[in-house]
Amino acid sequence: DIVMTQTPLSSAVTLGQPASISCRSSQSLVHSDGNTYLSWLQQRPGQPPRLLIYKISNRLSGVPDRFSGSGAGTDFTLKISRVEAEDVGVYYCMQSTQFPLTFGGGTKVEIK
Amino acid sequence: QITLKESGPTLVKPTQTLTLTCTFSGFSLNTSGVGVGWIRQPPGKALEWLGFIYWNDDKRYSPSLKTRLTITKDTSKNHVVLTMTNMDPVDTATYYCARANAAYWGPGTLVTVSS
Repeated sequence: DIVMTQTPLSSAVTLGQPASISCRSSQSLVHSDGNTYLSWLQQRPGQPPRLLIYKISNRLSGVPDRFSGSGAGTDFTLKISRVEAEDVGVYYCMQSTQFPLTFGGGTKVEIK
Repeated sequence: QITLKESGPTLVKPTQTLTLTCTFSGFSLNTSGVGVGWIRQPPGKALEWLGFIYWNDDKRYSPSLKTRLTITKDTSKNHVVLTMTNMDPVDTATYYCARANAAYWGPGTLVTVSS
């Protein structure tokens, strides 16, 4: 199985300041079709997960542009350019390049 | 509008079999490329993928749970059913059904395993 490791475990951010979350995979996420199936999900308190970004950097329709994804191979980053109160929650990276699908352990974002 | 919703028991006893149904709308499991599956989340813990079923009846399961899981579909009813045998208290979790592309999730259902 591909192991997904997220850092930090938690991040306290001042409103309006940036936040960054790192995700590292135990092996390359480049699929044989050339795509890299790395996604980012947000889970607000008491809510189901919500897909924010797929294939490293593609934002789902309706996701604010303050969210951006980057990276390649085994190292990936989710950035929030200016944290807003509604961004509080836990963020997960997920790989779907190879079965079984696997998730990172999550990064909790809270307001300082 | 795409929606999914889980239904089933909220409490099961150890060793019993859990059966959950995902009822979806807004898409068809007869459409090429479409898949639906299950992910769970123990209280306060991370997400764990359980398995998917695809439009062509291809099924993929978590290797660690494969012997206990069965996922089936009824395309006429827009249902996907998860069966998990030999339930244990460590299986206590919120169970989510979702589209295989993770773009759509149900609200989840908390299943507690306790005698």
